[in-house]
Amino acid sequence: GDSVTQTEGLVTLTEGLPVMLNCTYQSTYSPFLFWYVQHLNEAPKLLLKSFTDNKRPEHQGFHATLHKSSSSFHLQKSSAQLSDSALYYCALSGSYNQGKLIFGQGTKLSIKP
Amino acid sequence: DAGVTQTPRHEVAEKGQTIILKCEPVSGHNDLFWYRQTKIQGLELLSYFRSKSLMEDGGAFKDRFKAEMLNSSFSTLKIQPTEPKDSAVYLCASSFSGTGGNEQYFGPGTRLTVL
Repeated sequence: GDSVTQTEGLVTLTEGLPVMLNCTYQSTYSPFLFWYVQHLNEAPKLLLKSFTDNKRPEHQGFHATLHKSSSSFHLQKSSAQLSDSALYYCALSGSYNQGKLIFGQGTKLSIKP
Repeated sequence: DAGVTQTPRHEVAEKGQTIILKCEPVSGHNDLFWYRQTKIQGLELLSYFRSKSLMEDGGAFKDRFKAEMLNSSFSTLKIQPTEPKDSAVYLCASSFSGTGGNEQYFGPGTRLTVL
C-alpha cells in the first residue's frame, strides 16, 4: 500500500542555517505530494503541493522538488527563521480520485537563536 | 468563507463516559475526515466520508469510535465508552473531491482528556 516516511522526528537548527526535512514515499500510482505545517496550538495547514508538470512549488521561502526516480519530496529553505519552528507533515494523495491523504509521522523543527 | 469549525475545543471526561465531538466542514466540500493526533502516533485516520457516505473507518478504532454524517454540513464523532488512552487531539478536515491532489482544510481540533 501507499506510505510516507519521514525519518527525522526532531530537527534542531540555529537561526540562519539551511533547512532540509526528508520525505520519501511508496505509491502504486503517480501521487501528489504535500507538506503541511502545524504551529503550536494551531491546525495543520497546507504549505506546499507538488505540481503535475514538475514545477517546483515554493511558499514562504520553502520549496520542495518531487523526484520520482528516488520517490522523494524533501522540504528545503535556505535560511531558517525562529518562526519556522513547527511540526511538519509530508503527505501523499494516492490513487486517482481518492481524497484520502497518507501522512508521514511528522518532523518537529526547532529553530534556536 | 468560514473554515472548518469544531466544538467543543476542550473536553474532559471520566473513564466510561460517552462524548460527542462535532464538526462543520467548509461549505461546498464533499470529503470529510476525522483524525486523532498524538505525539507518539502522529495523525491517525479515524473516518473518511465522501458525499455523506462512509468510505473508510480506521479498523483499530471501530469498536468504540463511531462517526456519522447525517447532512453535508455536519458530522459527529462519538466515543463510547471513553478510556484514558483516548486522550488526544481530534481533528476534523474537509476537502473538495476531484481528480486527486485536493488540499485538506483542518479545523482547530478538540483536545480530549479522559481521567
